[in-house]
Amino acid sequence: AQSVTQPDIHITVSEGASLELRCNYSYGATPYLFWYVQSPGQGLQLLLKYFSGDTLVQGIKGFEAEFKRSQSSFNLRKPSVHWSDAAEYFCAVGGGSYIPTFGRGTSLIVHP
Amino acid sequence: NAGVMQNPRHLVRRRGQEARLRCSPMKGHSHVYWYRQLPEEGLKFMVYLQKENIIDESGMPKERFSAEFPKEGPSILRIQQVVRGDSAAYFCASSPPFSAGGPDTQYFGPGTRLTVL
Repeated sequence: AQSVTQPDIHITVSEGASLELRCNYSYGATPYLFWYVQSPGQGLQLLLKYFSGDTLVQGIKGFEAEFKRSQSSFNLRKPSVHWSDAAEYFCAVGGGSYIPTFGRGTSLIVHP
Repeated sequence: NAGVMQNPRHLVRRRGQEARLRCSPMKGHSHVYWYRQLPEEGLKFMVYLQKENIIDESGMPKERFSAEFPKEGPSILRIQQVVRGDSAAYFCASSPPFSAGGPDTQYFGPGTRLTVL
């Protein structure tokens, strides 16, 4: 069965600092991987996705993620965080079933 | 191109009443998914539908919950005889027909927040 672990429930960074959100997955074959962002009271917005090819994926809002098969990870990064990035971030893994499994989420807090 | 639409955005019901949640997928999308999100938890898959067909309902509770996606009109998630534990945010997502080589991405609606008194 596929599963996703986001080990950090909360992350606090200062505005302008770099950011890395961790995501580890379990899947028997090559996974499809996603990062979504959810602002308070809103639905989920896709930041980026990995299906195949280049393991470094660029997304919207200046985010990127790197697929590392050897570590079963798909960490999300941003070089300089803005206050508007404060939100809940969800990693998801999918595959042949087309039904992705979501992690519990990481809440990002940005200090001015 | 309008996004996924859900209504109502907020719904309050008393225990024992029925809740009906509606989802209109993006134009051109023929696949609809329903998820439930409880506080401090991620999204839990409930059901996957195509027009007039339930494809996967492995995440649906066995009783009181049902879903449909008719040929015309929105998808409906129906909860009969609601209980306090049904209070949650319910999200709908849609995706276009699958293309060869991988699943298409799901696009989420803003959600319906159900409160059961």
